[in-house]
Amino acid sequence: DGGITQSPKYLFRKEGQNVTLSCEQNLNHDAMYWYRQDPGQGLRLIYYSQIVNDFQKGDIAEGYSVSREKKESFPLTVTSAQKNPTAFYLCASSLNPPGTSGSSYNEQFFGPGTRLTVL
Amino acid sequence: RKEVEQDPGPFNVPEGATVAFNCTYSNSASQSFFWYRQDCRKEPKLLMSVYSSGNEDGRFTAQLNRASQYISLLIRDSKLSDSATYLCGVRDDKIIFGKGTRLHILP
Repeated sequence: DGGITQSPKYLFRKEGQNVTLSCEQNLNHDAMYWYRQDPGQGLRLIYYSQIVNDFQKGDIAEGYSVSREKKESFPLTVTSAQKNPTAFYLCASSLNPPGTSGSSYNEQFFGPGTRLTVL
Repeated sequence: RKEVEQDPGPFNVPEGATVAFNCTYSNSASQSFFWYRQDCRKEPKLLMSVYSSGNEDGRFTAQLNRASQYISLLIRDSKLSDSATYLCGVRDDKIIFGKGTRLHILP
């Protein structure tokens, strides 16, 4: 089965602890993304990566860190510096890096998400 | 002006009716456009890409108006199972999403 996996589905952590969320894809997609969604809110971009060993900050990168050592993997670390970490975290990927033409290549697919609760 | 805007709704529509959503975007250089469906507590799922000439998939029709910078989604003969939040996405170097429009189909 091809797709995007995120683990775990639910995660509980104590305040002040760092936590790493997993995102793996076997779609051979170049670009990967992390979003945060709060109840009743839209998707806010945290970080994105167009290619291995490169990533850019999104709109709300403060308190988060990422790495892209492999094409298939884009883990997100929620650090203790993130003031309101409780949220639904969604990972996504797309086939071609941004900037390529043709909408079919830019379609973005989401993983099932991780619900993080910080107690 | 926000980058991507949608009417948050909720739209309460009787089963069988036609419902239309609009989504406006601010970057005239945006290249690709999408509609996603998100069910409660689930991830967004791609409903359809929006092509310049407009496109249709069964009961769903998507259109792009570059001059006025909006995309639209039309759902005909709505079903109870269409109840969800519909997100529009607009891509330049990354996809920017609207906050979504909630749709409730009433029996």
